[in-house]
Amino acid sequence: RKEVEQDPGPFNVPEGATVAFNCTYSNSASQSFFWYRQDCRKEPKLLMSVYSSGNEDGRFTAQLNRASQYISLLIRDSKLSDSATYLCVVNSGYNTDKLIFGTGTRLQVFP
Amino acid sequence: DGGITQSPKYLFRKEGQNVTLSCEQNLNHDAMYWYRQDPGQGLRLIYYSQIVNDFQKGDIAEGYSVSREKKESFPLTVTSAQKNPTAFYLCASSGQRGITDTQYFGPGTRLTVL
Repeated sequence: RKEVEQDPGPFNVPEGATVAFNCTYSNSASQSFFWYRQDCRKEPKLLMSVYSSGNEDGRFTAQLNRASQYISLLIRDSKLSDSATYLCVVNSGYNTDKLIFGTGTRLQVFP
Repeated sequence: DGGITQSPKYLFRKEGQNVTLSCEQNLNHDAMYWYRQDPGQGLRLIYYSQIVNDFQKGDIAEGYSVSREKKESFPLTVTSAQKNPTAFYLCASSGQRGITDTQYFGPGTRLTVL
């Protein structure tokens, strides 16, 4: 089983749609969780950290379910500029600098 | 502007040659990391350093070497022993030593070995 698993997609959605991505992780000791966004042939950029209580940043909402070991990202009112690959990232254990990156879920928003 | 720079953006080398990729940061971050990304795969950790003059192997360190003589700099050498060096190389840094913190990435170097 991969340490971090994501559906590779692509998710093709029209502008204005709501889309959700899920990610599962295998290490129950993981303490830090992130969503990064990566545009084609560019570096990953932090979208948001994921907190236990869930958190929202504008149109983006992240949720964490520790019991089931999954993380979700919800994007509301999709924009063309949201088209990218979304990487689920978790740390490899308790109090460690090492991060494990999922292979990403590709989102394509069309007009 | 604060940030992480990597150079060059594109690099072409002949098989059997060593090549060094540059990574510099002016964020005053303690920790720095090197990853490689191959198509359809997640980022894989090559080496990381939590403090000057110290570094640790990541998951795929074979065929690579690093140094951390200055806080701001963490160059990566891809040696001729690396069997499949063509990839997208990403350098990252984070602020706090010993505690998982957000990692910020440089723009990457695309290495092609001919």
